Amino acid sequence: NAGVTQTPKFQVLKTGQSMTLQCAQDMNHEYMSWYRQDPGMGLRLIHYSVGAGITDQGEVPNGYNVSRSTTEDFPLRLLSAAPSQTSVYFCASSKGITSGTGGFFGQGTRLTVV
Amino acid sequence: GDSVTQMEGPVTLSEEAFLTINCTYTATGYPSLFWYVQYPGEGLQLLLKATKADDKGSNKGFEATYRKETTSFHLEKGSVQVSDSAVYFCAHYTGNQFYFGTGTSLTVIP
Repeated sequence: NAGVTQTPKFQVLKTGQSMTLQCAQDMNHEYMSWYRQDPGMGLRLIHYSVGAGITDQGEVPNGYNVSRSTTEDFPLRLLSAAPSQTSVYFCASSKGITSGTGGFFGQGTRLTVV
Repeated sequence: GDSVTQMEGPVTLSEEAFLTINCTYTATGYPSLFWYVQYPGEGLQLLLKATKADDKGSNKGFEATYRKETTSFHLEKGSVQVSDSAVYFCAHYTGNQFYFGTGTSLTVIP
């Protein structure tokens, strides 16, 4: 049981490049989400999904795209990387929207845009 | 809007000292409350939780009580260890997302 797996762990991009951050979970969780972590700002929600085929925006969605074709996978796409997107990205999953069990987080992807 | 405010760090304590990290929240609904811990280079791990008023979450010697009247969920530990050095995040879960505090960095020195 791997939990939530994120790849890659580290990435350096040039401004304007695109890339996809991968996230997979093997717990059959309905709810998956992406956060970015910036110094002094905690974690902020980028996008989330309540099930396959359903996604919605969070607090800071601009510049990011998501899709959810399967329950297991929830990739995050950076369309045209900008230095402001330098951050640590975390994927999380949980059993349901109103779950009181908390979320399971991946190890994070540290992204640097130069 | 919904938010979480937690004590600013960094916090440095000697081993076996008492720890308190304050956390207050603003929520439109009746949230579940959480403390997460992040060790260097790792993701967030759920430390403890409480889902209703007056519930006490506890784990690894850490405790926090859901106080609805003061909208607080302060984290406490009676005797910290070097291995407790990490960043601690308070969070609430309302509707469709987690709301996180900015994190409090704790360093415990021998």
